[in-house]
Amino acid sequence: AQTVTQSQPEMSVQEAETVTLSCTYDTSESDYYLFWYKQPPSRQMILVIRQEAYKQQNATENRFSVNFQKAAKSFSLKISDSQLGDAAMYFCAYKKKSSGDKLTFGTGTRLAVRP
Amino acid sequence: NAGVTQTPKFQVLKTGQSMTLQCAQDMNHEYMSWYRQDPGMGLRLIHYSVGAGITDQGEVPNGYNVSRSTTEDFPLRLLSAAPSQTSVYFCASSYSMGSTAYYGQYFGPGTRLTVT
Repeated sequence: AQTVTQSQPEMSVQEAETVTLSCTYDTSESDYYLFWYKQPPSRQMILVIRQEAYKQQNATENRFSVNFQKAAKSFSLKISDSQLGDAAMYFCAYKKKSSGDKLTFGTGTRLAVRP
Repeated sequence: NAGVTQTPKFQVLKTGQSMTLQCAQDMNHEYMSWYRQDPGMGLRLIHYSVGAGITDQGEVPNGYNVSRSTTEDFPLRLLSAAPSQTSVYFCASSYSMGSTAYYGQYFGPGTRLTVT
C-alpha cells in the first residue's frame, strides 16, 4: 500500500520569508499524481498545487512551488514571501494514476507565520 | 456553482443512534469520496464512488454505509454510532479527462460529529 510521510508536525516562518515543507511517499508505481492541500482554521480543504509524476518540470502556482524528486520519492512545498494568511495545516497527498479517485494523505504539517 | 455542500455542519449523537450525513455537488463530477479526519492522522478514506450506482470501500469503512443513486448526491450513513466515530467528516468530488488527466479533489466544508 502507498504511504505518504510528512515528518514535520509543525513549522514556523517569519512573514515575508521562505519556508519548505517536506513530504516523502512510498510507491512502486511510475505514473501517479501528487498534491498539496491547505487547511486553514476554517477547516476548508483547498488544493494548492498539483504535480504529474511523468512531468519533469516542477509545478508552480504564484508563491507556491514544489521540488519533485521522483527517484528519491520526495515532494516538498516551498512557500515564498510568506503571508499571515498562509498559516494553516498543509497536507501532502498521492494518487496512483489508475486508482480512480483514491487519494492517500499524509498526517499534515501545521505552519505558523510570525508577524 | 455551490461546489460541494455538506449538511449538517455540526451534529451530536448518542451511542447507538443512526444518522445520515448529506453530500451534494453541482459540478457533474463522476467521482465522490468520504473521508474522516482525526487529530494526528490526516484524512482517511471511508468510501468512494466512481459513478452513479458504483461504490467501493476505502481504508476505514466499518460502521458506515454509502449509496450513490444520482451523480449529484453521495450520502454517508452511520448505522449505530460509536464514540470512536467522533471525527470531522469531509466529502469530496473530482473528475478526470478520460485516463489522461486528473485534477484533484474539491472538498466540502466538513461535518463535525460528536458521539457521546
